[in-house]
Amino acid sequence: DVQMTQSPSTLSASVGDSVTITCRASESIGTWLVWYQQKIGKVPKLLIYRASTLESGVPSRFSGSGSGTQFTLTISSLQPDDFATYYCQQYLNYPLTFGGGTKVEIK
Amino acid sequence: QVELVQSGAAVAMPGASVKVSCKASGYSFSSNFMHWLRQAPGQGLEWMGLINIIAGSTTYAQQFQGRLTVTRDTSTSTVYMELGRLGFNDTAVYYCARDAVGTVDYFDYWGQGALVTVSS
Repeated sequence: DVQMTQSPSTLSASVGDSVTITCRASESIGTWLVWYQQKIGKVPKLLIYRASTLESGVPSRFSGSGSGTQFTLTISSLQPDDFATYYCQQYLNYPLTFGGGTKVEIK
Repeated sequence: QVELVQSGAAVAMPGASVKVSCKASGYSFSSNFMHWLRQAPGQGLEWMGLINIIAGSTTYAQQFQGRLTVTRDTSTSTVYMELGRLGFNDTAVYYCARDAVGTVDYFDYWGQGALVTVSS
């Protein structure tokens, strides 16, 4: 199984900050990676697929990059609506696997 | 609009089985795989398996092999997930999620979730 490791597990930031979340795969997954945002009590929301392609309707302050084993999600100019938990997921092969999540909280 | 509506919360005894349904609407049901995932309280997301709606074929995560059964009813656009031999660590919110572009293995629409509590 491909192990996905996210860091940090928690991130404290202020509105307007730029934040970066890292996701590392235990083996190369090309660019078969997505990012989701999940708010408390809500279902996950697809943000980015193919490592860097923004899902329709997602604000452009979200961006993704990386390939192989190292990926990042960047949120430029953090907004109040962005405080949530973010997950990466690989879809190179089964079982589909997720990172442990990064909680972005208000500083 | 696409909608996935799951059955309600359930309580089950250890060793028993639970069956959760997911009724799809707003799109061509056979066009997209359907996946099942779960999230234990305060924990991350775990993929369980998927069903190819057209063929009815399934792929399960190894850890659920032998106790997970996913089926579909094309006449009602409903997918079912049955998990057997429940243990306390199966307490979780169970989600169905639609494959985003048919067969790409990531998810664009999710059901609202069904809390399954395993309790004696």
